[in-house]
Amino acid sequence: QSVLTQPPSVSAAPGQKVIISCSGSSCNVAINYVSWYRQVPGTAPKLLIYDNNKRPSGTPDRLSGSKSDTSASLAITGLQTGDEADYYCATWDSCLSVWVFGGGTTLTVL
Amino acid sequence: EVQLVESGGALVQTGGSLRLSCAASGFTLNTYWMHWVRQVPGKGLEWVSLVNTDGSSTYYADSVKGRVTISRDNTKNTLFLQMNSLRPEDTAVYYCARVGALYCGRTSCYSRWIDAWGQGTPVTVSS
Repeated sequence: QSVLTQPPSVSAAPGQKVIISCSGSSCNVAINYVSWYRQVPGTAPKLLIYDNNKRPSGTPDRLSGSKSDTSASLAITGLQTGDEADYYCATWDSCLSVWVFGGGTTLTVL
Repeated sequence: EVQLVESGGALVQTGGSLRLSCAASGFTLNTYWMHWVRQVPGKGLEWVSLVNTDGSSTYYADSVKGRVTISRDNTKNTLFLQMNSLRPEDTAVYYCARVGALYCGRTSCYSRWIDAWGQGTPVTVSS
């Protein structure tokens, strides 16, 4: 059971928009920075979003992050088949003094 | 180019020990906090441990606390994870990962994001 809750899977058609949610608590998401990672099975994760809503170079502006209270979200617009991967949110939990990942969400582009 | 290369993963029996290494290149290790993260094949990412720049502050997941020790040799640009009393549930691919930036409050700091990952080293604990 992850400290951060993500839907196990989401799906949408090419060109559509999808939102992946990340639900936490007053110990983590509410007070600390959230980051998002993309992982293609068999490869290492890659940073997509940092500090809740900032994109590192290389992340297309079709991807955006947001945060409100104890929840964070990753939105992907203009879906492409190449977006199919597993997506993870993560942050620091100040009550437990640990880094925490969400359980991960598998994105399928139908 | 930033590179992290893990090694030391192996097949080991329950109760055994293993020392994982992570060789860093393309940057100066002694200016970065570092994580170990593991992943059971087909499952999600699980954070294992975090260490500050000089090794004086360490953090552990409850699942490994007391059995695992994170350390670093900055003179050799290498991060380590000593794992003892291994259990079948420790079977996973182990990644070392670099902290991209810190947030520091009045009394402590924490990791804000991870900006680089190694390719992982597999650990299998047989019962």
